Amino acid sequence: AQRVTQPEKLLSVFKGAPVELKCNYSYSGSPELFWYVQYSRQRLQLLLRHISRESIKGFTADLNKGETSFHLKKPFAQEEDSAMYYCAIEGGTSYGKLTFGQGTILTVHP
Amino acid sequence: EPEVTQTPSHQVTQMGQEVILRCVPISNHLYFYWYRQILGQKVEFLVSFYNNEISEKSEIFDDQFSVERPDGSNFTLKIRSTKLEDSAMYFCASSPPGPYYEQYFGPGTRLTVT
Repeated sequence: AQRVTQPEKLLSVFKGAPVELKCNYSYSGSPELFWYVQYSRQRLQLLLRHISRESIKGFTADLNKGETSFHLKKPFAQEEDSAMYYCAIEGGTSYGKLTFGQGTILTVHP
Repeated sequence: EPEVTQTPSHQVTQMGQEVILRCVPISNHLYFYWYRQILGQKVEFLVSFYNNEISEKSEIFDDQFSVERPDGSNFTLKIRSTKLEDSAMYFCASSPPGPYYEQYFGPGTRLTVT
């Protein structure tokens, strides 16, 4: 069964500081990994996905198959980055089925 | 920009009653999903739907649950006899055809079973 672990429920940084939100997964095949974000009073929306290899709003995430990780990073956090971040996995025959982690609440202080 | 819509935003019902949660997916999307999030817990997959049939369902999606696309626009989740533990936020999502496409989420319906 596929599983996603986000070890930090809460993460606080100051504006301009680097930020890293951790995500580890367990899956035996070749999964696709996503980061979804939910800003205050807004809906869940895609931030980035591994297959696109994009950088969105300054965030990047590298898939490390050896460590089964997909950590989300940003070199200089902004106050508007404060939100709930969810790591998710979609894999193999479970087409379209997203398995989410518990989420990490990121707070960026001025 | 087109969005997934859900109604109602909040539904309160008594245990044992039937509820229908409604969703209007984005019009050219072909895959539809329901997820739920019990307060303080993770977002959990319930069911995916394509070509008028269920593609996959989780162990949560038992006989009490059903989904339907009654017309060309709505996608509904029915819970036949609600239990207290069904209280949660229910999210509808839709996506274009193809693997690993972005799922577009609705704002959610908060279901409270008393």
